[in-house]
Amino acid sequence: DVKVTQSSRYLVKRTGEKVFLECVQDMDHENMFWYRQDPGLGLRLIYFSYDVKMKEKGDIPEGYSVSREKKERFSLILESASTNQTSMYLCASSASRGMSDTQYFGPGTRLTVL
Amino acid sequence: QKEVEQNSGPLSVPEGAIASLNCTYSDRGSQSFFWYRQYSGKSPELIMFIYSNGDKEDGRFTAQLNKASQYVSLLIRDSQPSDSATYLCAVIPGTYKYIFGTGTRLKVLA
Repeated sequence: DVKVTQSSRYLVKRTGEKVFLECVQDMDHENMFWYRQDPGLGLRLIYFSYDVKMKEKGDIPEGYSVSREKKERFSLILESASTNQTSMYLCASSASRGMSDTQYFGPGTRLTVL
Repeated sequence: QKEVEQNSGPLSVPEGAIASLNCTYSDRGSQSFFWYRQYSGKSPELIMFIYSNGDKEDGRFTAQLNKASQYVSLLIRDSQPSDSATYLCAVIPGTYKYIFGTGTRLKVLA
């Protein structure tokens, strides 16, 4: 079974803090994704990566950066957390770029910025 | 117009009935379509995907795709209370990036 893990289930940070969210997958997947999920807005793509050290902006990259130094690990960084970044953050990975490219999700990190 | 649209619900059906969940998409070049289930407080999990016109069945679930009408649906036969969840439709519009709908909340009444 594919396993995607995220470093924290719940996180509380203060405005202005630098926040790191870590994601690790154990299935040698090429592609990794970071989403945020908010009520009424659904899942929105922040950044994705299709190879080590490669990254591409998603739909809402402002205020975020990412790092992928190893194939299995994809980190999301909030350089200076703000209250409007309070959300559920979901990491996902997938194996290929084909038509049946299934994304597998981690358990999520619920981040609260005070 | 949103790229992937779903009725937010809730859609309430009695136990044992057929639940019909619908999704429309705007990009005619979309190639692959996915249905995910998400329980409250949990992450999405894949139910099934479809990329050819017509029906695809997997147990109690049937996905239906009509590319001409830009419409994909999910039927759940013999609905159970454990099927109560939010169902997310996702589309790959020609790249490997997913576009998600906002989800339909399904309630199966015992």
